[in-house]
Amino acid sequence: AQSVAQPEDQVNVAEGNPLTVKCTYSVSGNPYLFWYVQYPNRGLQFLLKYITGDNLVKGSYGFEAEFNKSQTSFHLKKPSALVSDSALYFCAVRDGANAGKSTFGDGTTLTVKP
Amino acid sequence: DGGITQSPKYLFRKEGQNVTLSCEQNLNHDAMYWYRQDPGQGLRLIYYSQIVNDFQKGDIAEGYSVSREKKESFPLTVTSAQKNPTAFYLCASSISGSPHEQYFGPGTRLTVT
Repeated sequence: AQSVAQPEDQVNVAEGNPLTVKCTYSVSGNPYLFWYVQYPNRGLQFLLKYITGDNLVKGSYGFEAEFNKSQTSFHLKKPSALVSDSALYFCAVRDGANAGKSTFGDGTTLTVKP
Repeated sequence: DGGITQSPKYLFRKEGQNVTLSCEQNLNHDAMYWYRQDPGQGLRLIYYSQIVNDFQKGDIAEGYSVSREKKESFPLTVTSAQKNPTAFYLCASSISGSPHEQYFGPGTRLTVT
């Protein structure tokens, strides 16, 4: 079985400061990892993904994530937060051997204060 | 514009009635998915389909049914057997296969009273 944990329900940062949203995962095969963002009453938007290769993945809106196999983590980062980054962020994992199903974390609410 | 449409945005039903949520995509994606989102619980997979005329149960399929008669359409029926149907329902699609990200519709908020 595959699973995802987002240990923080809420992350608060000041505008201009770096931000990190944490994600750890568990799969039996090779992990495919994704980050999505959701604004209120909207669908999810894809930010970035790790499939293979370089452990540092760059995505939309200046976000990046670092894949760490030994710690089974895929933390989302941004060097300088914007107020407009405030939203709900989801980490998702898909087992490379199970083409159909993605498992999502419970989400982390990011609030960036001016 | 390419994308996924879900209609209606808000839906109200009386308990005991079946209701069908629409999902259409013009992205030419083979795979389509239905998720349920409840506060604090993330997204839970209801059903998914990787090809026309075929679909599989997800983690919480009880009380729901789907059909996939056309590539671009994947309607979800919430039946009266679903014990707690009030939720935000999200439809998604993707290129078939593991590494591909999902594209989500805007969602339908269903309220059953």
